[in-house]
Amino acid sequence: AQSVTQLDSQVPVFEEAPVELRCNYSSSVSVYLFWYVQYPNQGLQLLLKYLSGSTLVKGINGFEAEFNKSQTSFHLRKPSVHISDTAEYFCAVRNSGGYQKVTFGIGTKLQVIP
Amino acid sequence: GAGVSQSPRYKVAKRGQDVALRCDPISGHVSLFWYQQALGQGPEFLTYFQNEAQLDKSGLPSDRFFAERPEGSVSTLKIQRTQQEDSAVYLCASSLEDRSNSPLHFGNGTRLTVT
Repeated sequence: AQSVTQLDSQVPVFEEAPVELRCNYSSSVSVYLFWYVQYPNQGLQLLLKYLSGSTLVKGINGFEAEFNKSQTSFHLRKPSVHISDTAEYFCAVRNSGGYQKVTFGIGTKLQVIP
Repeated sequence: GAGVSQSPRYKVAKRGQDVALRCDPISGHVSLFWYQQALGQGPEFLTYFQNEAQLDKSGLPSDRFFAERPEGSVSTLKIQRTQQEDSAVYLCASSLEDRSNSPLHFGNGTRLTVT
């Protein structure tokens, strides 16, 4: 079975500062990795995904993430955050091949301070 | 194009009542998932449909929870004899294909409060 660990429950950061949200996963097989964002009272929106190929993936809203197989990590980064980035961010993992359920981390609340 | 639609957005039920939550996936999407998101937690898998077939219900917490997708499109999650611990946001997601690299598209959820 796969699992996801998000090490930080809350991350405060000043506007225009860089941010990194950490994610580590565990799985015995090859995986696909995702980051989703959730704004208050809304569902989850896909930010970016790693399926194969380049380990650096770029997503919407200026976010990017790097897949590191040796460290089983998929950290999310943004070089300069905006107030509108205040939301909860979920890392998710899915084993490759056929039907597989998606397993989510507990989320990291990003609070951008003006 | 319309996204995943869930109704109602909010539901308040008295303990012991039955509830039914509806999900309209994106048209043509083969896969449909239900997740439960408790306050301050990540979404937890409940069940999965491939068209009308329920292929995985390993996440349903008890036999009070029942889901169906009889025609392979709209799905209903039913909770019988609701308990306070059922209070959560119930999220529905669909994906175009039945493959692990097909991303999920989520609805805005139904917030269930059991009093």
